[in-house]
Amino acid sequence: QKEVEQDPGPLSVPEGAIVSLNCTYSNSAFQYFMWYRQYSRKGPELLMYTYSSGNKEDGRFTAQVDKSSKYISLFIRDSQPSDSATYLCAMKAGANNLFFGTGTRLTVIP
Amino acid sequence: DAGVIQSPRHEVTEMGQEVTLRCKPISGHDYLFWYRQTMMRGLELLIYFNNNVPIDDSGMPEDRFSAKMPNASFSTLKIQPSEPRDSAVYFCASSFRLPSPQPQHFGDGTRLSIL
Repeated sequence: QKEVEQDPGPLSVPEGAIVSLNCTYSNSAFQYFMWYRQYSRKGPELLMYTYSSGNKEDGRFTAQVDKSSKYISLFIRDSQPSDSATYLCAMKAGANNLFFGTGTRLTVIP
Repeated sequence: DAGVIQSPRHEVTEMGQEVTLRCKPISGHDYLFWYRQTMMRGLELLIYFNNNVPIDDSGMPEDRFSAKMPNASFSTLKIQPSEPRDSAVYFCASSFRLPSPQPQHFGDGTRLSIL
């Protein structure tokens, strides 16, 4: 079983829709949870990070962590064509390495 | 401030040839990471350095892969001999001060194709 599981999609939504992206994980020691956005032919860039359980909001983006279910989510409100990218979840336990999901490709249709 | 710089951006070579990928991390960052990204396996950590010293190379697939960091501003990932299954996008990333969740800043990758 992989440490981090993520549905690869692809996911296609109309502009203005609410997008929900999700990951599950198996290692209960993970404490730091991140979402990276990767545009085509570019490197990933950090979008949001959360420590332990709870919610974090930044503009149109909300990250949620449910450690009891080992499940994390990223919600995008009022999605825009510029949000079209691959979204990767990543997580780590303390000083240890980052473990990435395989990424979900999102397309927002104008 | 310049980001992580990788070269070349694309590399196409024949099986058996030596391949060298290069990375210049962000100035002041003391951690450097090499990743490989494929559709099937996603992003995989190959090796990372702290203050130019290799800390964990458990992700290096086999002895054909080697990485060096001779100074704080330069690192190489070498594959010798290369094989078609090494075809992937290789990313270099750098960060400042683990273990806090400092973001890893990624370069734009080297797209490697082994024929």
